[in-house]
This record gives sequence, C-alpha cells and structure tokens, in this order.
Amino acid sequence: EMRLVESGGGLVQPGGSLTLSCAVSGFTVSDNYLTWVRQPPGKGLEWVSLIYSGGSTFYADSVKGRFTISRDNSMNTLYLQMNNLRPEDTAVYYCASFAPAGLQTTNPQGWFDPWGQGTLVTVSS
Amino acid sequence: EIVLTQSPGTLSLSPGERATLSCRASQSVTNAYLAWYQQRPGQAPRLLIYGASYRVTGTPDRFSGSGSGTDFTLTISRLEPEDFAVYYCQQYSRSPLTFGQGTKVEIK
Repeated sequence: EMRLVESGGGLVQPGGSLTLSCAVSGFTVSDNYLTWVRQPPGKGLEWVSLIYSGGSTFYADSVKGRFTISRDNSMNTLYLQMNNLRPEDTAVYYCASFAPAGLQTTNPQGWFDPWGQGTLVTVSS
Repeated sequence: EIVLTQSPGTLSLSPGERATLSCRASQSVTNAYLAWYQQRPGQAPRLLIYGASYRVTGTPDRFSGSGSGTDFTLTISRLEPEDFAVYYCQQYSRSPLTFGQGTKVEIK
C-alpha cells in the first residue's frame, strides 16, 4: 500500500524558512513522480511543485524562486524547502503521488493519488 | 492558466437524492484531462475520477463523471451519508495544474 506522511510544519515568521518532509512507503521516490499541493485554511487547493522520476522539477509561479522540491532516495523521502515565507503561504501542505497521463514533457499532465494527511504551515509574526 | 469554475458553491440535499456538480473551464481541457476529488472534513482529498469519467478503484459506482471541452459534470446518483463533503475538479491539460474552488454538498 502506498503511504505518504508529511512532517515539519509549524509557525514561522515572515521572511523565515522551513523544510517539509514527506516519508514514503509502499513505493520508491526515485521511480515515481511526486508533488506538493497546499490548502489555505478554509480555502481551496493549489498545486505547488512537482518532481519527475528523472529529476526535473516544476513550480507554481507563486513559489518559484522561493521553494525547492527535492528527494533523498536513500531515505525514500520527499522534501520542500521553503524560503522567504510570506503570510499568504499559510496553508496545510500535502504531498501526493502524481500519476502521469502520458509521456511527460515540460508540461506536466496528471492527477494526484494518493495523498498524505498534510502538515500545517503558519506564517505570522 | 486554465481557470476552473465550479457550481453551485453549496448544494443542500437529502440522503438518497441525486447530486449534480458542474465544473466549467476557461479554455478547452484537451483529451478530457480532468479529475474529481472528494474531501471530507479534516481529511486529505481523495481521488474519485480521472480522465473525466474513469472511476478509480474504490470509487462507488453511484459516482459518475462526464463532459468534454469546457464543461464537465460529476453526478452522485443517490447520496449516502458519507458523500456529504467538498468536491474539487482539477485539470491536467495545461500547466499550471489547477483546481476549481470546490462545491460543498451538505445535508439539507
């Protein structure tokens, strides 16, 4: 069974940094596409970042240049390094497996399944 | 960016009734590259349907998806108590991947 468990959320001041982790079991991070999706409190879902099995990475414009997605194959863990955090980054962050719809290029096409339970990041002074 | 607009925002229905949820795209979603998710309170989203109409394993057959181009529909034929939740559509035709704002199905 594929399982994803996020950790690392918490309270951080504007301009600060935080690294989220997503421990994966039931499949290997190096052979799969993985993604981060966030949800501000009481609001909808926003795709944040994606990493291909080959290592290519993609970001939403709202986080480009501030967030970095990576993985540790030996730990079978996905990460999201978040720098220069803003109040609007406050959200529950979910990691999820990304199921590609076809041959993936520079235009990621696919859906998210399964999801982790999420970790809350609060950016506030 | 493809903007997805879901309607209605809230659907108030009774168990056993039929629910029809709409997802309209600002541009054509090619290849019917659209998915539907269910999110119960306090839980992560769960994939129900991909490719506009293909149920994933574990999705009850009372859930059905249809549509193409810019108009898509999720239908729940007879609402069960566990179906009262928020539903999101997501397009994967064009980057960035985007979601609709959600439709809440609540008990009337």
